[in-house]
Amino acid sequence: AAGVIQSPRHLIKEKRETATLKCYPIPRHDTVYWYQQGPGQDPQFLISFYEKMQSDKGSIPDRFSAQQFSDYHSELNMSSLELGDSALYFCASSSGTGSGYTFGSGTRLTVV
Amino acid sequence: AQSVTQPDIHITVSEGASLELRCNYSYGATPYLFWYVQSPGQGLQLLLKYFSGDTLVQGIKGFEAEFKRSQSSFNLRKPSVHWSDAAEYFCAVGASGGATNKLIFGTGTLLAVQP
Repeated sequence: AAGVIQSPRHLIKEKRETATLKCYPIPRHDTVYWYQQGPGQDPQFLISFYEKMQSDKGSIPDRFSAQQFSDYHSELNMSSLELGDSALYFCASSSGTGSGYTFGSGTRLTVV
Repeated sequence: AQSVTQPDIHITVSEGASLELRCNYSYGATPYLFWYVQSPGQGLQLLLKYFSGDTLVQGIKGFEAEFKRSQSSFNLRKPSVHWSDAAEYFCAVGASGGATNKLIFGTGTLLAVQP
């Protein structure tokens, strides 16, 4: 069965650079979520989209932006990267509220 | 505000022993509850979920969890632990936000399995 695809798997950037993370949800899933998991931390909700519209926003820095495109894939854009942005970034998709989530394998971002 | 508490940061059990991981939640309405497992550097795998109905939920890998509304708990259990169960376990509650339900995670319980 198709899963949530995230790319790239690993990314190394320098401080103040920009990074773009991509997420391809399971086909026919209309909702995408982004989470950030720092080292030894629990995943923290960043932002979600439903039918290409932003639905909810969590602790996402102003330096970050995201969108969901017409084919339902989503991109998380991160600018002016800081060392503290180093984390595992997960995308999840679902169909309908409360239907359960499927997480991607994550993108490990390292800022040096 | 919604929250999830996992009181045990780290638990060690012997292989073959039974396991119970605790989870307490705070949520005003009927919660959607989840248990995820994560191996080091890996993604989050759903073990089981509770939306409504039978309060005893069966999941994958022999895990089960029981929803107890009176205690605001959703503890995860397994009758006999295998070495491959060593991982971090996260309890989560679904919290409504617009048209979507974000997940609020507990801080996790790291399970170690002794031979």
